[in-house]
Amino acid sequence: DAGITQSPRHKVTETGTPVTLRCHQTENHRYMYWYRQDPGHGLRLIHYSYGVKDTDKGEVSDGYSVSRSKTEDFLLTLESATSSQTSVYFCAISESGGYTFGSGTRLTVV
Amino acid sequence: GQQLNQSPQSMFIQEGEDVSMNCTSSSIFNTWLWYKQDPGEGPVLLIALYKAGELTSNGRLTAQFGITRKDSFLNISASIPSDVGIYFCAGQLWGANSKLTFGKGITLSVRP
Repeated sequence: DAGITQSPRHKVTETGTPVTLRCHQTENHRYMYWYRQDPGHGLRLIHYSYGVKDTDKGEVSDGYSVSRSKTEDFLLTLESATSSQTSVYFCAISESGGYTFGSGTRLTVV
Repeated sequence: GQQLNQSPQSMFIQEGEDVSMNCTSSSIFNTWLWYKQDPGEGPVLLIALYKAGELTSNGRLTAQFGITRKDSFLNISASIPSDVGIYFCAGQLWGANSKLTFGKGITLSVRP
């Protein structure tokens, strides 16, 4: 296996509640990324990390925050979920070159 | 920002046919990659290209890195039902923190 796990795989939450998605890797890769995938938009970068406690914003970062307190875990938090954040979220890892993706988290905000 | 163009959004072919997809950019990249996403899963790397003009095969898949470094194509020969999925191209520049830029993907359907 690729050594990247996302949890949960599916989640339904109510508008206004906080939600945290977890990405866990066993590859010791330096770079980790969070994307969202929506029909017609492809993959859009939310936030990424280039090391422990080193993170930066992607193109659709509003409403999201991230944390990376150790190499293997990269957390994505929706502080107050909105219906527009209903999407499939993918984590990816890389050391250099191409990315390896997780299997995704399908999040529905009702 | 940089954008990669993939079109059309969807393609429909008959089993056994060949299909070609291309990806174009207004700016150059040092690396081109092609990913496939099966339903309910994350994208998986199919082929990576590192040199302008490079032609690389992986089974029934062949991809080329355009000599201008602004385009790439992927060819699938003798398609089979399991080729169904979304095909993404991605470009990358060399350097630290160099992120991939993705196209929006082409959804391929294969009729038996």
